[in-house]
Amino acid sequence: SQQGEEDPQALSIQEGENATMNCSYKTSINNLQWYRQNSGRGLVHLILIRSNEREKHSGRLRVTLDTSKKSSSLLITASRAADTASYFCASHSGGYQKVTFGIGTKLQVIP
Amino acid sequence: DTEVTQTPKHLVMGMTNKKSLKCEQHMGHRAMYWYKQKAKKPPELMFVYSYEKLSINESVPSRFSPECPNSSLLNLHLHALQPEDSALYLCASSQDTGRQEKLFFGSGTQLSVL
Repeated sequence: SQQGEEDPQALSIQEGENATMNCSYKTSINNLQWYRQNSGRGLVHLILIRSNEREKHSGRLRVTLDTSKKSSSLLITASRAADTASYFCASHSGGYQKVTFGIGTKLQVIP
Repeated sequence: DTEVTQTPKHLVMGMTNKKSLKCEQHMGHRAMYWYKQKAKKPPELMFVYSYEKLSINESVPSRFSPECPNSSLLNLHLHALQPEDSALYLCASSQDTGRQEKLFFGSGTQLSVL
């Protein structure tokens, strides 16, 4: 089964606006992570939220986790053109480090 | 040094060729991973090495053969690939498995199979 399905799949906003991306997953998780990928490049870890946490902040990033709904959201505040990238949620489940990525949200921030 | 280095960055190979992708990290991480990513798709896990032993093989065809010569190096040997194997191959590492660790990714090898 596919873990982590992002919504929306594409998002276009003006610089300075906030961007919200949602992620749903299917099975129990140890933690949920968010990664960013610039076109054709490797992924960069943004933030990790554990299954017993509900909200976490890091700079302009805010992540929430609702384990009852098996969903998470990533909020980027005061977006910048440099935030243009694809954003993936990734769920960690099981004893081994099996991190499974969702389909991603492609964010475009227009200057 | 917080880098994961992958070589080559680009690779074009025929279906009868044998080639290898290389990955290196010097962060002392004990878990290393290979992911495959097709265009506009998420990365898909292929293999996980933990303490230099293969711990996860996600039913990957045998034409892909991973190798972990030591704790810093990870190779992916390619043989008799198909055009549908063309993709971005990403290597990643984490401090350990079985813990809540983030992954550090390399920039990937863009592979084209002709």
